[in-house]
Amino acid sequence: QVQLVQSGAEVKKPGASVKVSCKASGYTFTGYYMHWVRQAPGQGLEWMGRINPNSGGTNYAQKFQGRVTMTRDTSISTAYMELSRLRSDDTAVYYCAKGIVVVPASPDPHSDYWGQGTLVTVSS
Amino acid sequence: NFMLTQPHSVSESPGKTVTISCTGSSGSIASNYVQWYQQRPGSAPTTVIYEDNQRPSGVPDRFSGSIDSSSNSASLTISGLKTEDEADYYCQSYDSSNVWVFGGGTKLTVL
Repeated sequence: QVQLVQSGAEVKKPGASVKVSCKASGYTFTGYYMHWVRQAPGQGLEWMGRINPNSGGTNYAQKFQGRVTMTRDTSISTAYMELSRLRSDDTAVYYCAKGIVVVPASPDPHSDYWGQGTLVTVSS
Repeated sequence: NFMLTQPHSVSESPGKTVTISCTGSSGSIASNYVQWYQQRPGSAPTTVIYEDNQRPSGVPDRFSGSIDSSSNSASLTISGLKTEDEADYYCQSYDSSNVWVFGGGTKLTVL
């Protein structure tokens, strides 16, 4: 069965960077986009971007351009999301979510599996 | 920028039917698929409707989705409400740049 297992909670100081991992199993990792979505406390869902695990190609939401980097390690079926220059309003739960279309087809309209989420707290 | 607008909250009694709307800001909401996610406190979202009106396996047929082009909106309807349906519900679609767009979420209270 498909599983996305994310790394544990992080506490970071303003200005630092955080890297969250998402280990996939139960399907062909390089076959489907991996999306990243975040949710601030008490707030809604916000799409950050996606990575094509086969090619490494990325698409980022304009809001995060220049601060976010999505990568992958195909040898261990793991996707990563790194966010730099952290601010207090980056405090959120970060989710990875598997897309449904086979890469490189587009658009990828939605996800069918989500990771359990990783809480990132930014505080001095 | 393309946006999706949902009511902040809705409430209904057990056994009744509730409908949650999701209105597109521009263009035709019917042009791209709309999905609906359920999120219980402390948990990741799960899909209850995908591609406008499709139910994943395991989702009861009490959940249904529809598109109304005249109002440029999508709707999630839950019939025979159960207390376990109490959750936040998010609609989601995508724009011409393949950016996922989420509605602000609707808190469903079953009382």
